[in-house]
Amino acid sequence: DSGVTQTPKHLITATGQRVTLRCSPRSGDLSVYWYQQSLDQGLQFLIQYYNGEERAKGNILERFSAQQFPDLHSELNLSSLELGDSALYFCASSVDERNTIYFGEGSWLTVV
Amino acid sequence: GQQLNQSPQSMFIQEGEDVSMNCTSSSIFNTWLWYKQDPGEGPVLLIALYKAGELTSNGRLTAQFGITRKDSFLNISASIPSDVGIYFCAGLGNFHDMRFGAGTRLTVKP
Repeated sequence: DSGVTQTPKHLITATGQRVTLRCSPRSGDLSVYWYQQSLDQGLQFLIQYYNGEERAKGNILERFSAQQFPDLHSELNLSSLELGDSALYFCASSVDERNTIYFGEGSWLTVV
Repeated sequence: GQQLNQSPQSMFIQEGEDVSMNCTSSSIFNTWLWYKQDPGEGPVLLIALYKAGELTSNGRLTAQFGITRKDSFLNISASIPSDVGIYFCAGLGNFHDMRFGAGTRLTVKP
């Protein structure tokens, strides 16, 4: 158990819908990262927050957004969902930006 | 961000054999990390390397931080069936310059 908690673990939704994925970082970690992993693909970095502020953006679509709240938990919002958005979405956290990151178990999104 | 160059992409080995995989980059990193991912689960940290030249072991796993800070390797000795999975390297630079390799898919035949 990495200490990073993600909910829901599995989610099935229809095209055009909107979902929210939630992440609670490890206790004491200020930095939260979101990654997307499609079937048989590597990890694609989406976005990073540090202590509530956005710090880095990767290959995140405009239909996707995220935020980190004062209690340091984070949410990833995915809207106007398409079939190609089906993937595992991982949250990870670290103490700060220079330290090892630890991954949650992922949220498996299936868009039908 | 840009991926690291991880090789090989896949390996099929016999139980008991040793395994070696590596990652290279054109950029310098301050930290090298190795993760293992089982199907449908999150990557689990295996080894973290913080200093150029550092050689670190974790059971049957050994990893090294290249002296140039641009590469790292992971060795698994005497492989067993539960070593099956995808192994990712990650390099961490300054201020979230973190990049992942594309992964090495390991299959171990009993």
